[in-house]
Amino acid sequence: GAGVSQSPSNKVTEKGKDVELRCDPISGHTALYWYRQSLGQGLEFLIYFQGNSAPDKSGLPSDRFSAERTGGSVSTLTIQRTQQEDSAVYLCASSLTSTLGYEQYFGPGTRLTVT
Amino acid sequence: DQQVKQNSPSLSVQEGRISILNCDYTNSMFDYFLWYKKYPAEGPTFLISISSIKDKNEDGRFTVFLNKSAKHLSLHIVPSQPGDSAVYFCAAFYTGNQFYFGTGTSLTVIP
Repeated sequence: GAGVSQSPSNKVTEKGKDVELRCDPISGHTALYWYRQSLGQGLEFLIYFQGNSAPDKSGLPSDRFSAERTGGSVSTLTIQRTQQEDSAVYLCASSLTSTLGYEQYFGPGTRLTVT
Repeated sequence: DQQVKQNSPSLSVQEGRISILNCDYTNSMFDYFLWYKKYPAEGPTFLISISSIKDKNEDGRFTVFLNKSAKHLSLHIVPSQPGDSAVYFCAAFYTGNQFYFGTGTSLTVIP
C-alpha cells in the first residue's frame, strides 16, 4: 500500500510569510509525528497525535508553530511569520500506535528554505 | 537536553568488514530502542529494534546489542556492503511518550 506522503517536497518562502506543510499518513495508522532536521542536526521532535487524544505539543519550538490532524488522518503543520532558523527538512511519520513495538514509517520530508 | 547521543558523526569501513555504530542514552526509563537508516532526500526507514528486556536482536546482517547498565547500544553490520552507505539514527522511547533520536552517524562502505 501507499506509504507516508508529504507535500510540498520543497518550499522556499520569504521571511515573515506563513507556510503550511501537509502529511498524509498510512491508512489506519493512529499515531502521527512531526520532526524537523536542521543541517547537521538529528531529528528534533515537534508534535505527535495519538488517536483522539490531545496532541503532545511539547516539542514545538515557539507559538509560531501549530499543527492539526483532521479526521484522524491528514495533518497540517503551520509555521507563522517564518524565520531563517526555521529552514530545515520537516519529516512526518506515522505508526499503528505509539505503544511499545510499533515502529514509525517516515515520509520523504519537506525541505523548507526561508530567505 | 540530548537524551540519545551518537558521538561519531561519521564512519568509514571497507566492504566485507564489520561496521559498528554506537549510541548512548541517559534516560533509564527508555524501554524500546530502534535503528533507522536514511538515504539522502528520503525519510528514515526502520531497520531493527530491541526491547529493553533483551540484550541482543539479530536480523540477517544486522545485529543490535543493548547494554542497559552502560546505557549503550550498538548496531553491527556484517558483512558491510556499499549499499549500506547511509546515515544511521538510533532512537529510543518509553511507552506513551515521544521518540528521541540521536544526531546520526554517516556510514561509508568503501568498495
